[in-house]
Amino acid sequence: KNQVEQSPQSLIILEGKNCTLQCNYTVSPFSNLRWYKQDTGRGPVSLTIMTFSENTKSNGRYTATLDADTKQSSLHITASQLSDSASYICVVTTMEYGNKLVFGAGTILRVKS
Amino acid sequence: DTEVTQTPKHLVMGMTNKKSLKCEQHMGHRAMYWYKQKAKKPPELMFVYSYEKLSINESVPSRFSPECPNSSLLNLHLHALQPEDSALYLCASSQVPLSYNSPLHFGNGTRLTVT
Repeated sequence: KNQVEQSPQSLIILEGKNCTLQCNYTVSPFSNLRWYKQDTGRGPVSLTIMTFSENTKSNGRYTATLDADTKQSSLHITASQLSDSASYICVVTTMEYGNKLVFGAGTILRVKS
Repeated sequence: DTEVTQTPKHLVMGMTNKKSLKCEQHMGHRAMYWYKQKAKKPPELMFVYSYEKLSINESVPSRFSPECPNSSLLNLHLHALQPEDSALYLCASSQVPLSYNSPLHFGNGTRLTVT
């Protein structure tokens, strides 16, 4: 069954600290993996997209990694800011059924001052 | 601000009402989507329009009726909804349907409450 699992479910960190969010997937066949940030009451915003041949991709203080062999991805946030408080959603695209997005449940991050 | 505009931002409707949600993008994207998101859950795909034609309907009840009048507009017509249909309804668009170079651009959603 195509699944995307994220951990931790929620996380609280102090402003300025780094953190890493995890995403494991069983989706097959794999097309690409996306990380989205969703602020409360707003739509998700794309952070990164990676195919199986890409190991790492950065977007400012956000760095995503992908290990297509172990089917694991991580999102590393450097020098966290209060505005990083949001839900971070891992989404894997499968070429089955004409490119279908499989969403993880998200990690809720709260950055405290 | 998002480049996908959804109206209204909030909507409260009774179970006998008929209402419509609207979505607009002017990025020249040829794929548009409706998602439903319940609290603390990921978005669930409802419909996909590809080049203004309905390409995916995820077995959505007929009380939800999508419409794509042109490549920039997407509507969701609502009729005889149930309280459990209360959710955040997200519209999204992409340059082409779900390819590598086409990230989804989401609107900020319509918060729907059915009383």
